[in-house]
Amino acid sequence: QQQVKQSPQSLIVQKGGISIINCAYENTAFDYFPWYQQFPGKGPALLIAIRPDVSEKKEGRFTISFNKSAKQFSLHIMDSQPGDSATYFCAASKNTGNQFYFGTGTSLTVIP
Amino acid sequence: SAVISQKPSRDICQRGTSLTIQCQVDSQVTMMFWYRQQPGQSLTLIATANQGSEATYESGFVIDKFPISRPNLTFSTLTVSNMSPEDSSIYLCSVKVHRDTEAFFGQGTRLTVV
Repeated sequence: QQQVKQSPQSLIVQKGGISIINCAYENTAFDYFPWYQQFPGKGPALLIAIRPDVSEKKEGRFTISFNKSAKQFSLHIMDSQPGDSATYFCAASKNTGNQFYFGTGTSLTVIP
Repeated sequence: SAVISQKPSRDICQRGTSLTIQCQVDSQVTMMFWYRQQPGQSLTLIATANQGSEATYESGFVIDKFPISRPNLTFSTLTVSNMSPEDSSIYLCSVKVHRDTEAFFGQGTRLTVV
């Protein structure tokens, strides 16, 4: 059973546009929601993360929006650049637990 | 943060053989994990490597197939035993410096079994 559901599977965005990736979860015990960026041949790298006590977190061009009641969170990439082309994974975990539950990934392509 | 060195970065192995993957961290970390990422798929936790004791395996993964060692706070190994083509995957080492901190990943080991 997929603990975290991610969409879309792939996304093509024009340079300068906004990329939006969505995730949903069921387990209300989750209290840490990171986004990871993965380039081909590399391991995932933490991009930005949020805890459920805030509804939004922004770091540069990257913003997480969090809706606790809907059990959804999303990643917004503003002014998308070709260098942002990568696979993005959302994840969720319980602070007291070990395991990260990953979404299925979104392959983002930013067209020049 | 933590810098993770994973070896080998890739390998092609014959079915029926075993491969041991090493994970070295540049600092002591509380928690070390091993993940599998099948081609085009998400990451699945294989096990948590426990220092000085047996690893804790997730459902669907067993010690006989994926023996894990963690002799100290900076090093762990994962062995993929009696390999079959279905074991072809990327294996990733991950660490948390402390229990409540972010997880860092190594660059992965791309394994192809022929």
